[in-house]
Amino acid sequence: GENVEQHPSTLSVQEGDSAVIKCTYSDSASNYFPWYKQELGKRPQLIIDIRSNVGEKKDQRIAVTLNKTAKHFSLHITETQPEDSAVYFCAARNYGGSQGNLIFGKGTKLSVKP
Amino acid sequence: DGGITQSPKYLFRKEGQNVTLSCEQNLNHDAMYWYRQDPGQGLRLIYYSQIVNDFQKGDIAEGYSVSREKKESFPLTVTSAQKNPTAFYLCASTSRGVSGSNEQFFGPGTRLTVL
Repeated sequence: GENVEQHPSTLSVQEGDSAVIKCTYSDSASNYFPWYKQELGKRPQLIIDIRSNVGEKKDQRIAVTLNKTAKHFSLHITETQPEDSAVYFCAARNYGGSQGNLIFGKGTKLSVKP
Repeated sequence: DGGITQSPKYLFRKEGQNVTLSCEQNLNHDAMYWYRQDPGQGLRLIYYSQIVNDFQKGDIAEGYSVSREKKESFPLTVTSAQKNPTAFYLCASTSRGVSGSNEQFFGPGTRLTVL
């Protein structure tokens, strides 16, 4: 089955700097890759997603890139702000598979220092 | 706020007791999921259901049970057989399960503590 690896597990940046979180997946049939942000004690919320027919997607300060050949995708946050501090999860899903469930990475705790 | 509610927010259980966590959604979603979240472990799938009256085991189903008698409800029972139940439990739902709309919405979670 699918396996998703996420790195780093913790990331500390200075306000205004960029942050990059990387994920790799094992199932080449996976075709949907969302990123969730979870603030302390709250529910995960979708911040951006990408399908396998697209190499890059951007939404204001957040962007996701996908390399299908290498089976990895990354989250890029530019001009980080203290409110970006949270745990970020990547996930992969195969919509053509028998289960089609999201498989999550273990998360990255991002701390943005003012 | 996503249309998924979970109750209670906090739950305390004595060893040997079964407890049931509630999850309700008014999004008309077909698929519902239960995840367990432990520090440093990410989200692990306990059970999922793609249609009413049908559900499947996830990666860590031992010690848990579910039912899906109504489309909008997917309660999770943590039984006494679950050896380490203290965790944060998240319910989620998506439309059309395997295909179609992609976003998975999460409930606010229930924090279960075994005393």
